[in-house]
Amino acid sequence: DAKTTQPNSMESNEEEPVHLPCNHSTISGTDYIHWYRQLPSQGPEYVIHGLTSNVNNRMASLAIAEDRKSSTLILHRATLRDAAVYYCILRQEGSARQLTFGSGTQLTVLP
Amino acid sequence: GAVVSQHPSRVICKSGTSVKIECRSLDFQATTMFWYRQFPKQSLMLMATSNEGSKATYEQGVEKDKFLINHASLTLSTLTVTSAHPEDSSFYICSARGSGAGSYEQYFGPGTRLTVT
Repeated sequence: DAKTTQPNSMESNEEEPVHLPCNHSTISGTDYIHWYRQLPSQGPEYVIHGLTSNVNNRMASLAIAEDRKSSTLILHRATLRDAAVYYCILRQEGSARQLTFGSGTQLTVLP
Repeated sequence: GAVVSQHPSRVICKSGTSVKIECRSLDFQATTMFWYRQFPKQSLMLMATSNEGSKATYEQGVEKDKFLINHASLTLSTLTVTSAHPEDSSFYICSARGSGAGSYEQYFGPGTRLTVT
């Protein structure tokens, strides 16, 4: 699976939007962009995924660059419970391979 | 989403003893289960992949005789850490994937914190 690059850490104020960037310049045409997050002492949980178009769900929005070499996970109003490590992972469509985690971005939400 | 459970959530054992961790898919049949290990401040590292009814495939550097994996049914996989040592203390996370066309999403358990004293 292609490699992704994320900042090690970010801070946000509570109730403000957060934009978490991810670079994936070697993405292939069949790679989906997945985001997972891991709250302290818990297993990862699915957040959102997309291929080309921007995606919205109840947890977040995913904005994908036109050339697909980068994407941004958007939390519209950060809460203290959103403090977690956010992982951006590329996965080929229909792949049977396991998810491979990079180092992710540690998001700190300040009250 | 699908639910994966792990038991126990945390365990403390003495050096030299063995510990078994269970991973269950509660509402779907998991043909493939993955075991990850996570040390403090680090990312998840895949240890092994198991398919129901087959022997597990271990990642390079993971001792198969130390980390015994059994995936005897479509809803249960177990990881046994044999002759545990303090350096095996870690957060162990299982993940399950269902069967059928399009079932390639992975669902994660809540993790098991192992402390070896």
